[in-house]
Amino acid sequence: DIQMTQSPSSLSASVGDRVTITCRASQSISSYLNWYQQKPGKAPKLLIYAASSLQSGVPSRFSGSGSGTDFTLTISSLQPEDFATYYCQQSYSADWTFGQGTKVEIK
Amino acid sequence: EVQLVQSGAEVKKPGESLKISCKGSGYSFTSYWIGWVRQMPGKGLEWMGIIYPGDSDTRYSPSFQGQVTISADKSISTAYLQWSSLKASDTAMYYCARRVIAVAGAPKYYFDYWGQGTLVTVSS
Repeated sequence: DIQMTQSPSSLSASVGDRVTITCRASQSISSYLNWYQQKPGKAPKLLIYAASSLQSGVPSRFSGSGSGTDFTLTISSLQPEDFATYYCQQSYSADWTFGQGTKVEIK
Repeated sequence: EVQLVQSGAEVKKPGESLKISCKGSGYSFTSYWIGWVRQMPGKGLEWMGIIYPGDSDTRYSPSFQGQVTISADKSISTAYLQWSSLKASDTAMYYCARRVIAVAGAPKYYFDYWGQGTLVTVSS
């Protein structure tokens, strides 16, 4: 199966900071990469699909890039409501897999 | 409005059976695949499998094949996840989610709507 590795596993940042989360696939997955946000006690929420397409209703401060094996989720200016855990997920293979998550905490 | 509403929390003993549900509304239930995702306490997300309610075509993650059964009843727009004999290690939150396709270029798949989750606790 395709392994997805996120880095860092956690980070501390302040409101207004630019935040970058990286996701690496164990083999090429083209642009079959999605990003989700999960807040405590809530279901995941889709942010980015197909590596760089912003889901409807998601603020434009979120962006995604990459293809092949290396991908990035960027939050251009961190807002209080963005403190959460972020997961990447590949849909290249029939057996979808998620990264282990990156927890974004308040500095 | 698209909604996926899951059944309530369950507390079971090891060896018992269980079936949890996910009811879709606000869209054509038979036209979209429904997936199930496990989240063990304090851990990440794991894709379990997926079903197409239109014809009940089902795919499983190798990690969950033989451990659970996914089914659907299109007459009531509901998908199910069931266990025949629960183990303590099945304790987790379980989410259903709708799979959609981005059709620009080569098709890309993702989960756009999620249920609220069903907490399953297995303890003697």
